Amino acid sequence: DAKTTQPPSMDCAEGRAANLPCNHSTISGNEYVYWYRQIHSQGPQYIIHGLKNNETNEMASLIITEDRKSSTLILPHATLRDTAVYYCIVRNYGQNFVFGPGTRLSVLP
Amino acid sequence: GAGVSQSPRYKVAKRGQDVALRCDPISGHVSLFWYQQALGQGPEFLTYFQNEAQLDKSGLPSDRFFAERPEGSVSTLKIQRTQQEDSAVYLCASSLARGQGAPETQYFGPGTRLLVL
Repeated sequence: DAKTTQPPSMDCAEGRAANLPCNHSTISGNEYVYWYRQIHSQGPQYIIHGLKNNETNEMASLIITEDRKSSTLILPHATLRDTAVYYCIVRNYGQNFVFGPGTRLSVLP
Repeated sequence: GAGVSQSPRYKVAKRGQDVALRCDPISGHVSLFWYQQALGQGPEFLTYFQNEAQLDKSGLPSDRFFAERPEGSVSTLKIQRTQQEDSAVYLCASSLARGQGAPETQYFGPGTRLLVL
């Protein structure tokens, strides 16, 4: 079973920031938080991952709470092409990825 | 680009037929994974190879499912005597390494959509 809980769906206005939450209250000390997204009819695409510190790359920012029990993926300026299912995954190196149902993000014009 | 490729992209099979799905990982990637994705669900792990060795096949749903990677690069997922419940998207992913402290980012192919009638 997935170790994360995400809202099933969210809407975001084009050009605004999309903030996608993820709860992982049972995360252990060595487990990383990964985010992937899946655009319709494509394979999942890696976005970002982190352990404790906040992370930022060209696609998104990852904010992890101090107790590590939850995190937020931030897409700073959402575009229509960001419409996808976003998966939050908790895993340690060497473990399998376990995908939950994810959050379906709809970016609206 | 030099991403993960899968073929065929679409496959229609009659119940009872055998099918073979191919995955070409990114060149140099040691690890290869197969996933099954039912409609409206997230991908579910099937099996994992490190080079030619199949180290984990705990996710294969039945003995009708068989995967191989004989030369440590291209992999084939074979489903024998297909059933309607096998209808799904089959995803392949590859990564540079596993269990060595590397980020292990998995790169996914576009998937093969299998429909069993």
